[in-house]
Amino acid sequence: QITLKESGPTVVKPTQTLTLTCTFSGFSLSASGMGVGWIRRPPGKALEYLALIFWDGDSRYNPSLKSRLTITKDTSKNQVVLTMTNMDPLDTATYYCAHRGREIRGVQYYYSGLDVWGQGTTVTVSS
Amino acid sequence: DIVMTQSPLSLPVSPGEPASISCRSNQSLLHDNGYNYLDWYLQKPGKSPQLLIYLVSNRASGVPDRFSGSGSDTDFTLKISRVEVEDVGVYYCMQARQTPWTFGQGTKVDI
Repeated sequence: QITLKESGPTVVKPTQTLTLTCTFSGFSLSASGMGVGWIRRPPGKALEYLALIFWDGDSRYNPSLKSRLTITKDTSKNQVVLTMTNMDPLDTATYYCAHRGREIRGVQYYYSGLDVWGQGTTVTVSS
Repeated sequence: DIVMTQSPLSLPVSPGEPASISCRSNQSLLHDNGYNYLDWYLQKPGKSPQLLIYLVSNRASGVPDRFSGSGSDTDFTLKISRVEVEDVGVYYCMQARQTPWTFGQGTKVDI
């Protein structure tokens, strides 16, 4: 059974750096095709993709936030860490990490959605 | 970035009645492997989003068969054959054809 859980501060001040950790179990991020993504939902707004890291270390960022984001993985700890610099009140949101699913069809693995999500962690940016 | 547009944005429904949500992209979601990279997610009140449908029409594990997805290229639809009270929440389409993955604005379904 795959589970993910986000952790980090609930309040940060403007201009500070946010560090969020996604601790997961039930899969290995070193296995081919695996990935973990970060998505957020600001209050009253839609879901927004932030970043994704693949089993091979390939990282894909939202270009609108790329200069502020860093995603890393620690396979031995089963963790993915997202840092976001220069926090602003507009970054107030619930932040989720999610497992990028894969399924085998024939001899190849194919994408099968963000199939398991963490419970989310709410971050408020306020002085 | 690929822009995803959902309609309607609000959908009042009655239990037992069908419901349908449209999602359009401004670029084709067809991958070279022949699959359209379009998912549907539901975020119930106070809960994390959950995967309903991936690659247009594949139901995720545990998703009731009253949910179905269809479409191709740039035009997609999620249908609920008979709405149940537990189906209320915000429905999102998401394209995974290219990063950044992008979501629609969300469709709020309530009874």
